[in-house]
Amino acid sequence: DSGVTQTPKHLITATGQRVTLRCSPRSGDLSVYWYQQSLDQGLQFLIQYYNGEERAKGNILERFSAQQFPDLHSELNLSSLELGDSALYFCASSHDRRSSYNEQFFGPGTRLTVL
Amino acid sequence: GQQLNQSPQSMFIQEGEDVSMNCTSSSIFNTWLWYKQEPGEGPVLLIALYKAGELTSNGRLTAQFGITRKDSFLNISASIPSDVGIYFCAGQTPSGGSQGNLIFGKGTKLSVKP
Repeated sequence: DSGVTQTPKHLITATGQRVTLRCSPRSGDLSVYWYQQSLDQGLQFLIQYYNGEERAKGNILERFSAQQFPDLHSELNLSSLELGDSALYFCASSHDRRSSYNEQFFGPGTRLTVL
Repeated sequence: GQQLNQSPQSMFIQEGEDVSMNCTSSSIFNTWLWYKQEPGEGPVLLIALYKAGELTSNGRLTAQFGITRKDSFLNISASIPSDVGIYFCAGQTPSGGSQGNLIFGKGTKLSVKP
């Protein structure tokens, strides 16, 4: 158990819909990262938040957005869903108090299926 | 963008054999991490490397941070069936706007035959 929790574990929805994925980082971790994993693309970095502020953006679509709340949990919002958005979505967290140490610990993931 | 070349893509080995996989990059990294992912689970951190030349072990696993800072390898000795999974390397570059985020290799899928 990494200490990172994600809900829900599975989500099935229809094209055009909007969903919210939730992540709670390990106790004491300030950074939260979101990744998308699909069969043919591997792990793709989407976005990072550090202590409530957006810190880095990767291959995140404009239809996707995220935020980190004062209690440090984070939500990833996916809207106008398409079939190709079906994937595993992982959240990871890291301590980040020392810039040279960036061990990221992953949650169990949310499997999103868009029908 | 930056890419990590991880090889081999897959390995089919007999229980008891040693395994070696590696990652290379055209860019310099200041951190290398190795993860293992089992079906339906999130990646689990195995080993973290922070200095060029560093050699670190975790049980039967040994990983090294290449001297050039552009590569890393992971060895598994005396493999057992529970070693099955996908192994990912991940690297962090020294600077840039994407602070903290990792670049992942595409993974090495390991199958172990009892």
